[in-house]
Amino acid sequence: DAKTTQPTSMDCAEGRAANLPCNHSTISGNEYVYWYRQIHSQGPQYIIHGLKNNETNEMASLIITEDRKSSTLILPHATLRDTAVYYCIVREGSGNTGKLIFGQGTTLQVKP
Amino acid sequence: KAGVTQTPRYLIKTRGQQVTLSCSPISGHRSVSWYQQTPGQGLQFLFEYFSETQRNKGNFPGRFSGRQFSNSRSEMNVSTLELGDSALYLCASSFWATGVSEQYFGPGTRLTVT
Repeated sequence: DAKTTQPTSMDCAEGRAANLPCNHSTISGNEYVYWYRQIHSQGPQYIIHGLKNNETNEMASLIITEDRKSSTLILPHATLRDTAVYYCIVREGSGNTGKLIFGQGTTLQVKP
Repeated sequence: KAGVTQTPRYLIKTRGQQVTLSCSPISGHRSVSWYQQTPGQGLQFLFEYFSETQRNKGNFPGRFSGRQFSNSRSEMNVSTLELGDSALYLCASSFWATGVSEQYFGPGTRLTVT
C-alpha cells in the first residue's frame, strides 16, 4: 500500500503558485520523498525528490517539514500545461529496488 | 538523448490470446520496471529487471511474465488474456537499481482485450 496521503483534487489559477500537500507520517529515516506527475494518458514524469532538506529545480520546489511527516510540492507559476495528476511517493533510498508504489495522487486543475 | 520507447503503442487482442510488449530504456540505463494502470486500480507495479535478472515482482498472477536482454531492452508477456487485463502498460528505466535515482517512463502500450 502507498505510504502517502494526498487530497483527491485541487484547483489553481493560471500564473499563481500551486501548493500540493502530501502526508507521509510513517516515513523512515532512509526514505526519500519523490514527486511524479502524469498528464492525461501519458507516462508519469519525474519532478523532484528530497530526503530532509528543501529542494528546488527548474520545475518545482519541494518543502519537507522538519519532522519529515509531510511535504509540499510547489509549482511557482502554474500554467495550463501543469494540469495533471501529481503523485507523492515515499521510497527507500538505499533499497535494492526501483519499485515505486503509487497512490491515487492529486488531480491538479489549472484554470485560466 | 532518446527517451524510453515502447512498442506497440496500441494493441487489441481477444480473450485467451497472449501478447508481448516491448520496452527500450534510455541508453545507459540498466534497470527496467513495468507497471499496469487501470481506472479502478491505478498504477500498480508488475516487476523490475536489472542486468537481466528479475529484482522484484508485484502481486500479479503467473500469466504475467517478463525478461530483460543483455542490451537492457525488456519484454513483458501476458498469456491467456482476460478482459481485466485491458490497461495501459508502462515501462520505466533508471540508471541505478539501488540508491536514489529517478525513473523515466515511456508513453505506454494501451492494451484492449475483447
